[in-house]
Amino acid sequence: GESVGLHLPTLSVQEGDNSIINCAYSNSASDYFIWYKQESGKGPQFIIDIRSNMDKRQGQRVTVLLNKTVKHLSLQIAATQPGDSAVYFCAEKETSGSRLTFGEGTQLTVNP
Amino acid sequence: ETGVTQTPRHLVMGMTNKKSLKCEQHLGHNAMYWYKQSAKKPLELMFVYSLEERVENNSVPSRFSPECPNSSHLFLHLHTLQPEDSALYLCASSQDWLTDTQYFGPGTRLTVL
Repeated sequence: GESVGLHLPTLSVQEGDNSIINCAYSNSASDYFIWYKQESGKGPQFIIDIRSNMDKRQGQRVTVLLNKTVKHLSLQIAATQPGDSAVYFCAEKETSGSRLTFGEGTQLTVNP
Repeated sequence: ETGVTQTPRHLVMGMTNKKSLKCEQHLGHNAMYWYKQSAKKPLELMFVYSLEERVENNSVPSRFSPECPNSSHLFLHLHTLQPEDSALYLCASSQDWLTDTQYFGPGTRLTVL
């Protein structure tokens, strides 16, 4: 069946470095993708989204890249801060469908 | 309050108890969702309500019973749960059922003894 997964379960970076979190998806019909951040004891928080007609989208300190050829999604966080420590997971969806499919998540740890 | 709120935040119950989880959204959305989040597993969709009508029931055991009295409130009634039901239960809402972005509440951490 379709699945969305992340390449690494954990990622540890130094404060101030850039972070890259990856996600692979298998449903070629997916045309909408979201990154969520989940801090300990909290619910997932929307970070940024991208549609399949785009390759790149930038937000505040975050950039999402989409490579439809290899069905790969990445989240780049610039100048990573301790407050960025959390689990990050991607979700994908077909616009014509109703269900978001979530990946397992990557635990990002930012070391001071 | 703004966003999506959930109560209680933590719940411990025995297998013979009956309890309810409550979710309220203050975003004017028309669709609401229940998800189960277990350790090291992706979010599992349980139920979807659109305009107070259940539109998806994702093969969830009958010991979980949802209720949506209006578009702002969603309940999950629990009875005779099993220890493996212990998890974080998340509520989410979106503008419409087919709208892409879902916004989550903080979750209820449920422990079944």
